[in-house]
Amino acid sequence: SQQGEEDPQALSIQEGENATMNCSYKTSINNLQWYRQNSGRGLVHLILIRSNEREKHSGRLRVTLDTSKKSSSLLITASRAADTASYFCATDARKQETSGSRLTFGEGTQLTVNP
Amino acid sequence: ETGVTQTPRHLVMGMTNKKSLKCEQHLGHNAMYWYKQSAKKPLELMFVYSLEERVENNSVPSRFSPECPNSSHLFLHLHTLQPEDSALYLCASSQDPLGGGHTDTQYFGPGTRLTVL
Repeated sequence: SQQGEEDPQALSIQEGENATMNCSYKTSINNLQWYRQNSGRGLVHLILIRSNEREKHSGRLRVTLDTSKKSSSLLITASRAADTASYFCATDARKQETSGSRLTFGEGTQLTVNP
Repeated sequence: ETGVTQTPRHLVMGMTNKKSLKCEQHLGHNAMYWYKQSAKKPLELMFVYSLEERVENNSVPSRFSPECPNSSHLFLHLHTLQPEDSALYLCASSQDPLGGGHTDTQYFGPGTRLTVL
């Protein structure tokens, strides 16, 4: 298994419903980030949660982090067709003396929101 | 727009060609990254530059050669590639706190879709 595994691999819901995606990881982390990618495009950062935080909100997004279970979840409330994209979690386990970040990405969850 | 641009957006090349991918960031960041994204695989970190110095080379074959002439520009020089190198190549930048311990957000460009024939 790899650091930052998302579950499920694919999720299809109707507009207005909530979407929940999960991420599991293996090593200790400094923070965990969620990114979104529209088909064939670059990734866009959504939210970052630090290892000493348990929950964070940003608009319709809610992220939780359970370091004892090495897992995180991303909840998108009141989904819209425009939320259709791939969602990736990325873990940062960089050692303090290291230059540059070392994000490890999962394989992503493909979310489809049907109008 | 994220403030990171990549050119070209699409590239088709033969196995004997030499080409270069270009990335430019307009965010004043001090760290830049190359990633490879293949179908059905997680993003793979290829190279990391911090303050224009290469600080990570993730066992990438020598047919990929990065160059960072200044903090705003990053190149990936390609030569004698293989068909399995076909992928989306993503550039990213971030503001490295330089030993402060926490990583800031990475900002990604739109990517170059590379096809090797």
